[in-house]
Amino acid sequence: EIVLTQSPATLSLSPGEGATLSCRASQNVSGHLAWYQQKPGQAPRLLIYNASNRVTGIPARFSGVGSGTDFTLTISSLEPEDFAVYYCQLRNNWPPLAFGGGTKVEMK
Amino acid sequence: QVQLVQSGTEVKKPGASAKVSCTASGYIFRNYGISWVRQAPGQGLEWVAWISVYNGNTQYGQKFQGRVTMTTDTSTSTVYLELGSLRSDDSAIYYCARDSLPLSGAPMHSQSWGQGTLVIVSS
Repeated sequence: EIVLTQSPATLSLSPGEGATLSCRASQNVSGHLAWYQQKPGQAPRLLIYNASNRVTGIPARFSGVGSGTDFTLTISSLEPEDFAVYYCQLRNNWPPLAFGGGTKVEMK
Repeated sequence: QVQLVQSGTEVKKPGASAKVSCTASGYIFRNYGISWVRQAPGQGLEWVAWISVYNGNTQYGQKFQGRVTMTTDTSTSTVYLELGSLRSDDSAIYYCARDSLPLSGAPMHSQSWGQGTLVIVSS
């Protein structure tokens, strides 16, 4: 069973700074990795799919890269509304869908 | 626009079953699969189950197999999740989420989510 490990657990940053979030798979996987943003009391919002494709309407400051076992979500310059929890999600043979544990981006 | 509207809070005793619903609108219901994802208080996201509305195929997370059932009612564009033998650690918000692409043979990323249904398991 593939396990997704996100790091760091928490990022403390200021608006305007860049954020780099990591998602590592326990086995080599295809690029079927997605990133979600979740704010308190809200459902997750899809940001990136297939590792690097940005969903329509998502600002260009969000970008994703990666393949194999290592994937990264980058927020180039944090806006106040970007402070949230971010999850990676893998589509694979088994389990069909798996989530990482999340990275909280908090305001310093 | 795509909308997924879920049923209200459920309060159940340990050992009971809970059945939550997700009613879809704004798209061709049978063309898209639906997943259920849950989130325990203060915890991360956990995939529970998926159904292909098109052909009724289901996939269930390993820890839920044997006590979870997903069904659909195409006449009302509603998907149901029934979870039995409830335990206190099943207390969570349960979200339904629609596949981003049509006619997928397996669960995939989701651009549209319901508002969540709180299930509380307590004696």
